[in-house]
Amino acid sequence: ETGVTQTPRHLVMGMTNKKSLKCEQHLGHNAMYWYKQSAKKPLELMFVYNFKEQTENNSVPSRFSPECPNSSHLFLHLHTLQPEDSALYLCASSPLTFPYEQYFGPGTRLTVT
Amino acid sequence: QQQVKQSPQSLIVQKGGISIINCAYEITAFDYFPWYQQFPGKGPALLIAIRPDVSEKKEGRFTISFNKSAKQFSLHIMDSQPGDSATYFCAAGGASGTYKYIFGTGTRLKVLA
Repeated sequence: ETGVTQTPRHLVMGMTNKKSLKCEQHLGHNAMYWYKQSAKKPLELMFVYNFKEQTENNSVPSRFSPECPNSSHLFLHLHTLQPEDSALYLCASSPLTFPYEQYFGPGTRLTVT
Repeated sequence: QQQVKQSPQSLIVQKGGISIINCAYEITAFDYFPWYQQFPGKGPALLIAIRPDVSEKKEGRFTISFNKSAKQFSLHIMDSQPGDSATYFCAAGGASGTYKYIFGTGTRLKVLA
């Protein structure tokens, strides 16, 4: 595997379910990001991790819980989601040296029913 | 809140024509301006980038023009092809003390055959 991978690629879940999204990067980067991409909206930065430490939480509801066990893996744990949480969830990674170029995974298309 | 304003929201161009997408930023501390290309079902991929010490950068059919005094930059796609049909995002980053990017709202480009 190369680049940034995400699993699953598609996920349908009920509002009472608990599921997790997984991201893995094979680029040797030390920063990882979760973005939410909804139709007709800009990319919304959700969480940022630097060397496994969370450095940013952009007022994301607590039903989204990130986990970064090491610099290569990032998870997004989901529980009691709402239909408006349906979106494409993108993971990205970057080095911590200029120009901090971000490399994105293919995303997980999440549908909340 | 820091913003990068992108226009137009959508663009239709005939094959062989020139596609032009514009972005404007507010924070002068930004030092790196990448463009990302996203095809349906894929994550955004870095296309081309520029630093503010140059006014233009060209890679194949893709050119970034940069106007530092106006805080504006644009992407020009020469000889546009149907395979260029995608969503394009501009971004600003590289500001001192942060490795995050601020993304524009995206432009959906359709090139007619």
